[in-house]
Amino acid sequence: AQKVTQAQTEISVVEKEDVTLDCVYETRDTTYYLFWYKQPPSGELVFLIRRNSFDEQNEISGRYSWNFQKSTSSFNFTITASQVVDSAVYFCALSEAGDDKIIFGKGTRLHILP
Amino acid sequence: NAGVTQTPKFRILKIGQSMTLQCTQDMNHNYMYWYRQDPGMGLKLIYYSVGAGITDKGEVPNGYNVSRSTTEDFPLRLELAAPSQTSVYFCASSYGRTNEKLFFGSGTQLSVL
Repeated sequence: AQKVTQAQTEISVVEKEDVTLDCVYETRDTTYYLFWYKQPPSGELVFLIRRNSFDEQNEISGRYSWNFQKSTSSFNFTITASQVVDSAVYFCALSEAGDDKIIFGKGTRLHILP
Repeated sequence: NAGVTQTPKFRILKIGQSMTLQCTQDMNHNYMYWYRQDPGMGLKLIYYSVGAGITDKGEVPNGYNVSRSTTEDFPLRLELAAPSQTSVYFCASSYGRTNEKLFFGSGTQLSVL
């Protein structure tokens, strides 16, 4: 069965620092999809990125970047030059091509201190 | 577009009461999901549906029921509310299979006292 582990429960950094959120996954499927979602203090859940298992290219979107490494079953998320507005809970999620479920990790609560 | 709409936003139940959390989407999505979010526990899948008339259990289905009579609606029913069901409930939908991103509703905060 698939599993997502976000070992960092809570992280605090000072504004403008870089921060990396870890995500480790387990799956027996060769085709799978990884996601990151953001939940700001307002409570809604916002999609950030999707990556399929055949695309190991790292992705950069502004201050956000994602590092996908199949060798270590990790899909880490880095925020560069963090800002207070980045304060949120971030969830990593996994789905397998042969399944209809999307499983989430427990989330990492990120505090960006001014 | 309204997207995914959940009602109510807040509800307080007494132990043993029943209620239905409503979820509707106007994007013609086939896949719909119910998750619950407990503090520090992330999102747990309760039930999901891959189309009208088809539902299946997720990780934590006990104490809940669902139905999917139309593509748009996916209500979640609590028959005998228990304190352990105090949580924030999110409904989500996606167009295709699980390689698609989820669109979430704004959530329902439920307290069972």
